[in-house]
Amino acid sequence: TQLLEQSPQFLSIQEGENLTVYCNSSSVFSSLQWYRQEPGEGPVLLVTVVTGGEVKKLKRLTFQFGDARKDSSLHITAAQPGDTGLYLCAMDSGGSNYKLTFGKGTLLTVNP
Amino acid sequence: DADVTQTPRNRITKTGKRIMLECSQTKGHDRMYWYRQDPGLGLRLIYYSFDVKDINKGEISDGYSVSRQAQAKFSLSLESAIPNQTALYFCATSEPGFSNQPQHFGDGTRLSIL
Repeated sequence: TQLLEQSPQFLSIQEGENLTVYCNSSSVFSSLQWYRQEPGEGPVLLVTVVTGGEVKKLKRLTFQFGDARKDSSLHITAAQPGDTGLYLCAMDSGGSNYKLTFGKGTLLTVNP
Repeated sequence: DADVTQTPRNRITKTGKRIMLECSQTKGHDRMYWYRQDPGLGLRLIYYSFDVKDINKGEISDGYSVSRQAQAKFSLSLESAIPNQTALYFCATSEPGFSNQPQHFGDGTRLSIL
């Protein structure tokens, strides 16, 4: 079973601070997805990264995929209270038998 | 209306009861999934289905069963509920494809077993 380690598990910061969340595996990813989940709702896809070394930006969020495709990071610049939520990374098993393996998540709280 | 609808949203029941959680989707996706979410454990896959005649076990299928009644409907059953099945349950859908397909989640069913 492929394991996906996410860190930190909890993060509480003040509005305006920067933060980084990490997602690591001993296995090579076919691709990796980042989701955000708010209380009372299901996860919603933020981004998919596919190519080693890839960097994608979504407003104040920057996603990186490691060169070896075993790790990924999510960096938030100038965090806002609206960024509060559970951030989940998920890797796919590749091939036609497509299903996702999720990390345990990072619970982010941004205080005003 | 939501693309992926789960019913009920909340359920409290007793040990030993049979429970069915329903999921319906209007996205037209062939693939459907059931996950459970526990604090500190993330999302774990229970069962998944790639089309109406295809059912597959996930990593934690013991104690659960599923039925794919139609392309749009995928239900999860707990034949005899036990307290450690208390969790948040999510249904998700995706388009067919080898990889990179996003999954679209419902808003979850919070299940408590006393």
